[in-house]
Amino acid sequence: GQQLNQSPQSMFIQEGEDVSMNCTSSSIFNTWLWYKQDPGEGPVLLIALYKAGELTSNGRLTAQFGITRKDSFLNISASIPSDVGIYFCAGRAGGTSYGKLTFGQGTILTVHP
Amino acid sequence: EAGVAQSPRYKIIEKRQSVAFWCNPISGHATLYWYQQILGQGPKLLIQFQNNGVVDDSQLPKDRFSAERLKGVDSTLKIQPAKLEDSAVYLCASSFGPGELFFGEGSRLTVL
Repeated sequence: GQQLNQSPQSMFIQEGEDVSMNCTSSSIFNTWLWYKQDPGEGPVLLIALYKAGELTSNGRLTAQFGITRKDSFLNISASIPSDVGIYFCAGRAGGTSYGKLTFGQGTILTVHP
Repeated sequence: EAGVAQSPRYKIIEKRQSVAFWCNPISGHATLYWYQQILGQGPKLLIQFQNNGVVDDSQLPKDRFSAERLKGVDSTLKIQPAKLEDSAVYLCASSFGPGELFFGEGSRLTVL
């Protein structure tokens, strides 16, 4: 089955620093999604990517769909305390797995004020 | 616009008992998903519905888990009998098409 490797597993940064995390896949995906999950809540969509090479921003967040279609990156600039949470990448392939979204293991982000 | 509604938020049962979770997707979303999220892991797809039909249930433990989506709207996920390893958050999500999934707050199950 499809597997996603997300790294790093956790990050401890100071407020104001920039953050980078990435996700790699063993197979090609047609869609990459990035979610954030706060404790006790469901994942909330941050950014959606649909084309190889696509670079999309949402405020201080920027995500890219890798050219090989096997990876994606999420950057957070000038982190603030409310950025704390778990960030998940998720990928969807086409064909018979149309619609099925596979999630990475998550990156736990801690921001020290 | 109302989001995905799930209930109950929390449930504690003993092993071998049964439990049911309910989900009401966003209005107009034809696709509904049930995910299992074990502590420290990413969500894992259990079953995906397109309207009334099952699209993917390859990772659903069918000997104890069942799910239905009558009338193509609400859905129920049942576990019977529950095992200790079923302790997890059960997330329901819906989508309009092949786009973004929107998640509910989840139902946290503890099996003692």
